[in-house]
Amino acid sequence: AQSVAQPEDQVNVAEGNPLTVKCTYSVSGNPYLFWYVQYPNRGLQFLLKYITGDNLVKGSYGFEAEFNKSQTSFHLKKPSALVSDSALYFCAVRANSGYSTLTFGKGTMLLVSP
Amino acid sequence: SAVISQKPSRDICQRGTSLTIQCQVDSQVTMMFWYRQQPGQSLTLIATANQGSEATYESGFVIDKFPISRPNLTFSTLTVSNLSPEDSSIYLCSVGSGRQGNEQFFGPGTRLTVL
Repeated sequence: AQSVAQPEDQVNVAEGNPLTVKCTYSVSGNPYLFWYVQYPNRGLQFLLKYITGDNLVKGSYGFEAEFNKSQTSFHLKKPSALVSDSALYFCAVRANSGYSTLTFGKGTMLLVSP
Repeated sequence: SAVISQKPSRDICQRGTSLTIQCQVDSQVTMMFWYRQQPGQSLTLIATANQGSEATYESGFVIDKFPISRPNLTFSTLTVSNLSPEDSSIYLCSVGSGRQGNEQFFGPGTRLTVL
């Protein structure tokens, strides 16, 4: 069975500082990895994905994530946080072979203070 | 990307009743998914709905409780039957192209409160 772990319920960072939201995964074979963001009373918005190729993936709103196969991680990063980045972030994984549904982590609340 | 709308956006229902949630997509899509997001929890897949076939339910979810319709490639409904307070959640519709490497897109969700 595939799974995603987001070890932090909440991450606090000051505006302008770099941020990292952690994600590790478990899947049979190679993964497809995704990050989504959920603003209050809104659906999930796609941020970025890793399919293959370069381990550093760039996405929307200045976010990026680094795929590390040996550590089975896909941490979300941003060099300089904005207050408007405050939201709930979900990491998700799907196996890249056969039929596989998307499995989500429990989410990490990011709070960026002014 | 696909634009997805859901109706209603929220509802308050009495226990024992049912609520039907509609999901409309602005383009034809192969796969549609229904998720539940319980308060403070992650997303849990309820079922996958492909047009022209019966929905495929995940472990712990049954058709009698969560009947799904998928009459065409742009529309689906999820009914939550015989409501209890434990059904209070956000229900999200999602679509995918069927290609594993492609991201899924999500509707805004329907917030259900059962009294």
